[in-house]
Amino acid sequence: QKEVEQNSGPLSVPEGAIASLNCTYSDRGSQSFFWYRQYSGKSPELIMSIYSNGDKEDGRFTAQLNKASQYVSLLIRDSQPSDSATYLCAVTGAGGFKTIFGAGTRLFVKA
Amino acid sequence: NAGVMQNPRHLVRRRGQEARLRCSPMKGHSHVYWYRQLPEEGLKFMVYLQKENIIDESGMPKERFSAEFPKEGPSILRIQQVVRGDSAAYFCASSPVEPVNSPLHFGNGTRLTVT
Repeated sequence: QKEVEQNSGPLSVPEGAIASLNCTYSDRGSQSFFWYRQYSGKSPELIMSIYSNGDKEDGRFTAQLNKASQYVSLLIRDSQPSDSATYLCAVTGAGGFKTIFGAGTRLFVKA
Repeated sequence: NAGVMQNPRHLVRRRGQEARLRCSPMKGHSHVYWYRQLPEEGLKFMVYLQKENIIDESGMPKERFSAEFPKEGPSILRIQQVVRGDSAAYFCASSPVEPVNSPLHFGNGTRLTVT
């Protein structure tokens, strides 16, 4: 079992729709959870971080964490073509030393 | 720009040569991480270092790869006797000492091509 799993996609949504990205992780002791966005040929950039169960909203982005289900999600409201990128789920395990990334989900937002 | 600085941006090496990748963390950060990314794949953890210490190298190949973060100067990822399979993007990231579990800040990466 992979440590952090994501659907590779691609996920295609029309402009203005909600994009829903999902991630599961295997280490129950994981403490910190992050979503990064990576454009082709570029480096990952942090979008959201979440540390406790529930929802966290930042502008058009909402991260959701359910530690009992070992599940993290990212919702992007009012999706824009500029949101088209690969979204990486990242999880830091117990001790906070190592951050493991999922393989990423490619998102296409159609104008 | 006080971000994570990596150089070179692009590096071409012939099979059997050595590759040296450099990374200077963000100002105030003392934790450095190296990740490798193959085309169309996710980031694979390689090594986590603090000044003069390797904390976790569980993702480093046993042979030909080494990393250091000296007291002075940048962190270095060294690949000896490169092979074509080493061609990838290598990203460095840094984080502060506190708070623990801070997110990683990435450099622009070094694209290594082995011919």
